[in-house]
Amino acid sequence: EDQVTQSPEALRLQEGESSSLNCSYTVSGLRGLFWYRQDPGKGPEFLFTLYSAGEEKEKERLKATLTKKESFLHITAPKPEDSATYLCAVRGYGKLTFGQGTILTVHP
Amino acid sequence: ETGVTQTPRHLVMGMTNKKSLKCEQHLGHNAMYWYKQSAKKPLELMFVYNFKEQTENNSVPSRFSPECPNSSHLFLHLHTLQPEDSALYLCASSQDLPHEQFFGPGTRLTVL
Repeated sequence: EDQVTQSPEALRLQEGESSSLNCSYTVSGLRGLFWYRQDPGKGPEFLFTLYSAGEEKEKERLKATLTKKESFLHITAPKPEDSATYLCAVRGYGKLTFGQGTILTVHP
Repeated sequence: ETGVTQTPRHLVMGMTNKKSLKCEQHLGHNAMYWYKQSAKKPLELMFVYNFKEQTENNSVPSRFSPECPNSSHLFLHLHTLQPEDSALYLCASSQDLPHEQFFGPGTRLTVL
């Protein structure tokens, strides 16, 4: 059975304080690893798809990387508007499996 | 309208009521999904439709009944729900099954 574990559960940062979120996974035949952002009371917003180890993708202050066992979402010089829950999901031969998310709070 | 829309956004119902949730996608996608999101739990996939055909039913109780009349519309019919069914119900769509999914804003359901 595919599994996804995200850490930490919650992360508090000061504005400008860079950090990383972790997504560890086990999957039978990775067909994609996905990062989403979810604001309170809203549906998840797609951020990135990574397909193979060594792949990296960037969008504004966010950079996602992938190894054979985990993915990192690096946040450089975060701003308060980056506060949200960040979700990781993997697709193997079965369904899309989500982690429980990391709640990020960025204080001004 | 763009993206994925869901109605209603909020719903309060008694345990004996019958109601339906509606989802519409304007992205030209072929696959549609229903998810349940409860507090402090990962998203739970409920149903998957691909080209209007149901391809997954993840042991969802029969009090939840999905309907997909075409690739753009998805319904979730609710009857005799329990208080533990209170949650955010999210609809999503994707071009094909393995691709990234795009989510609607969700329906916040409260069962009294």
